[in-house]
Amino acid sequence: KAGVTQTPRYLIKTRGQQVTLSCSPISGHRSVSWYQQTPGQGLQFLFEYFSETQRNKGNFPGRFSGRQFSNSRSEMNVSTLELGDSALYLCASSLGLAGGHEQFFGPGTRLTVL
Amino acid sequence: GQQLNQSPQSMFIQEGEDVSMNCTSSSIFNTWLWYKQDPGEGPVLLIALYKAGELTSNGRLTAQFGITRKDSFLNISASIPSDVGIYFCAGRDFGNEKLTFGTGTRLTIIP
Repeated sequence: KAGVTQTPRYLIKTRGQQVTLSCSPISGHRSVSWYQQTPGQGLQFLFEYFSETQRNKGNFPGRFSGRQFSNSRSEMNVSTLELGDSALYLCASSLGLAGGHEQFFGPGTRLTVL
Repeated sequence: GQQLNQSPQSMFIQEGEDVSMNCTSSSIFNTWLWYKQDPGEGPVLLIALYKAGELTSNGRLTAQFGITRKDSFLNISASIPSDVGIYFCAGRDFGNEKLTFGTGTRLTIIP
């Protein structure tokens, strides 16, 4: 069974731009969660989508948004990029809501904001 | 955001040595998870714990769910070079569907 895939793997943007990251969950998984990983803050939860609906949200500004499609694939968008948005963005999929099922992570997208 | 206290932050050991690390939380958790992350990759689930006092093994790895529900421990026996990486604990508290991650323990094996 293929694992969680994320595209692109690496991205360089400049301040003020916007970016869209993509995540394809493991086949049959209906929940996708997004995390931001930085050396200073560690792994921080962004949001979780299940059945095309956002079910949980972390403490990030509104510049961070996401969506999920009917095939469970998910995208996250960051608008008006700031230097501090440079991070590894990880998505994780699970069969059902992450509260009751184990999450499997993708390799991440490394975003660098210049 | 909320984080778990994980210690030690880093460990330098020789091949063959045993390793111990732990996580503590100020709140009670109903699930503890241990992940390992290799450079350039996402975390991989090693062990999941669901019951206070539970002791679970996965090969050379053993993890325990603390009796107080506020801590968990991971032990690695007879370390080998591929054990190098960052180990994260993660907890899920009652009524909260979000995972909270520890700050990570970086394991380095000295030749």
